[in-house]
Amino acid sequence: NAGVTQTPKFQVLKTGQSMTLQCAQDMNHEYMSWYRQDPGMGLRLIHYSVGAGITDQGEVPNGYNVSRSTTEDFPLRLLSAAPSQTSVYFCASSSPVGYTFGSGTRLTVV
Amino acid sequence: KNEVEQSPQNLTAQEGEFITINCSYSVGISALHWLQQHPGGGIVSLFMLSSGKKKHGRLIATINIQEKHSSLHITASHPRDSAVYICAVSPNYNQGGKLIFGQGTELSVKP
Repeated sequence: NAGVTQTPKFQVLKTGQSMTLQCAQDMNHEYMSWYRQDPGMGLRLIHYSVGAGITDQGEVPNGYNVSRSTTEDFPLRLLSAAPSQTSVYFCASSSPVGYTFGSGTRLTVV
Repeated sequence: KNEVEQSPQNLTAQEGEFITINCSYSVGISALHWLQQHPGGGIVSLFMLSSGKKKHGRLIATINIQEKHSSLHITASHPRDSAVYICAVSPNYNQGGKLIFGQGTELSVKP
């Protein structure tokens, strides 16, 4: 089925570990973005990309890296996980006609 | 002050009631989005609006660009409509996939 695929769905990390959240879309959308969702804070933009090879920071970029080597993939890297990065992460792709969100990754950092 | 404000934050309704959720924004926008999130679930895009009104089933979304205000209406509400409804805007100053979100409205529809 067409859409945005996020993996993994759940992850527990120890403080200081690194990991990559994967995001792939098969709709040939130019724009992709990563958000985190925290209770009481709503959804906040981490990083976004307007096309392959182009990325930019959002509202809360610290502690995260992204790259966009292909139109389809937009991985989010946690360099050294911290408890403050415990959250639910959503990837989205978009075109001029609208947004499609992935199913989310629930990350716990202990 | 948040750039996107929703009201109410919480709403409880009886099955069959007509429901309205409001969204006001303070930035220039190219589009406004209404999203739905069921408990523990993913996010689904319901509407994208740049003017006027859109209808899908029992859901109606309207936008008034001059007043910077949008409403989401649910007619004949049903318990399966229980979810968080999120208003988000695509700001004019950024054309590249950036959304600014409201805090969400948690709707509970009782049978």
